[in-house]
Amino acid sequence: KAGVTQTPRYLIKTRGQQVTLSCSPISGHRSVSWYQQTPGQGLQFLFEYFSETQRNKGNFPGRFSGRQFSNSRSEMNVSTLELGDSALYLCASSSEGGIGTEAFFGQGTRLTVV
Amino acid sequence: AQSVAQPEDQVNVAEGNPLTVKCTYSVSGNPYLFWYVQYPNRGLQFLLKYITGDNLVKGSYGFEAEFNKSQTSFHLKKPSALVSDSALYFCAVRDPPGNTPLVFGKGTRLSVIA
Repeated sequence: KAGVTQTPRYLIKTRGQQVTLSCSPISGHRSVSWYQQTPGQGLQFLFEYFSETQRNKGNFPGRFSGRQFSNSRSEMNVSTLELGDSALYLCASSSEGGIGTEAFFGQGTRLTVV
Repeated sequence: AQSVAQPEDQVNVAEGNPLTVKCTYSVSGNPYLFWYVQYPNRGLQFLLKYITGDNLVKGSYGFEAEFNKSQTSFHLKKPSALVSDSALYFCAVRDPPGNTPLVFGKGTRLSVIA
């Protein structure tokens, strides 16, 4: 079974631009979560989608948004990029086994804002 | 809201010695607890989880963790450390009921010295 796939792996963007990151979950997984990882803050939860609906949302500004498609693939968009948005963005998928089910992570997209 | 604390940013241990990576949590109910490991330029890999039952949980690569409800701790342990265990370790918690997100600690960097 293929794992969680995130594209692209690396991105360099300029302040003020917008960016879209993509995540393909493990086949059959309907839950997709996004996290921002920075050295100082660790992993911070952005949002979770389940069956095309946002189920949970973290404490990030409205510039961060996401969506999920009918095939469970998910995209995350960041508008009006700031230098502080430079981070590793991780996507995780899990099955419908309930909240005791572990999440499986992709390798991440490293975003650098210059 | 649930939270996780990993009190040590860095743990150093000699190869062959036992290792412990500490984690404490705060939840309103009975916690679902997880450990993940991250190698350089990689996503997170699931190690083990505690949902219910035996307080000592065994996981991948010889790791185990002990759930202690009275101390609200879930420390990760391994009897004999390997150089290849050097990585970043994350503790995470979910607070049932409901589909709450997985909340991570800030991570502990483990260095195993030959």
